[in-house]
Amino acid sequence: SQQGEEDPQALSIQEGENATMNCSYKTSINNLQWYRQNSGRGLVHLILIRSNEREKHSGRLRVTLDTSKKSSSLLITASRAADTASYFCATDTTNFGNEKLTFGTGTRLTIIP
Amino acid sequence: ETGVTQSPTHLIKTRGQQVTLRCSSQSGHNTVSWYQQALGQGPQFIFQYYREEENGRGNFPPRFSGLQFPNYSSELNVNALELDDSALYLCASSPQQGWGDYGYTFGSGTRLTVV
Repeated sequence: SQQGEEDPQALSIQEGENATMNCSYKTSINNLQWYRQNSGRGLVHLILIRSNEREKHSGRLRVTLDTSKKSSSLLITASRAADTASYFCATDTTNFGNEKLTFGTGTRLTIIP
Repeated sequence: ETGVTQSPTHLIKTRGQQVTLRCSSQSGHNTVSWYQQALGQGPQFIFQYYREEENGRGNFPPRFSGLQFPNYSSELNVNALELDDSALYLCASSPQQGWGDYGYTFGSGTRLTVV
């Protein structure tokens, strides 16, 4: 079963604009991770935020986590055509961590040149 | 440093047949997980292997089985294939099982089509 739900399911923006994707989940987590997938191939790990963290940055990526609302957001600033991909949030809910990830349904992001 | 390598890239099988998918984990990673991703869905956890033993299993029937070898590479075996087994199968490795927060390194996947 899916733990997380991404919103929106699909997003199209002009190159250079910022893209924001949201993720909601149902149970307590150890950490939450964001992954990118190009054209139905392998997933690329983007960023991990721990349950005791509220915000994290990596390059053009900014992730926030609100454990009280069981939600996270991924912001991509100054989007590029190469950012076109599907983005998934994944939660680690296991007792000791690093045992399995539960993925959401994904957001399909299209950057229009 | 090598990434995660999966083989084959694509595979077509007939319903009822058996299939073996292979995965070489990233150098230094001793934990391998397998995921199934149906078209338009997020990946679903199948199982994880750590030090050659199964360490956690998702909601998949026993006809899905696996192995991990001393060099940490892994196989996913699926018996009695069904049409619904058609999916992208992803292998992911991580540095270690247990305490810690690690991102996973995924392979490019094997696209299995059952006809």
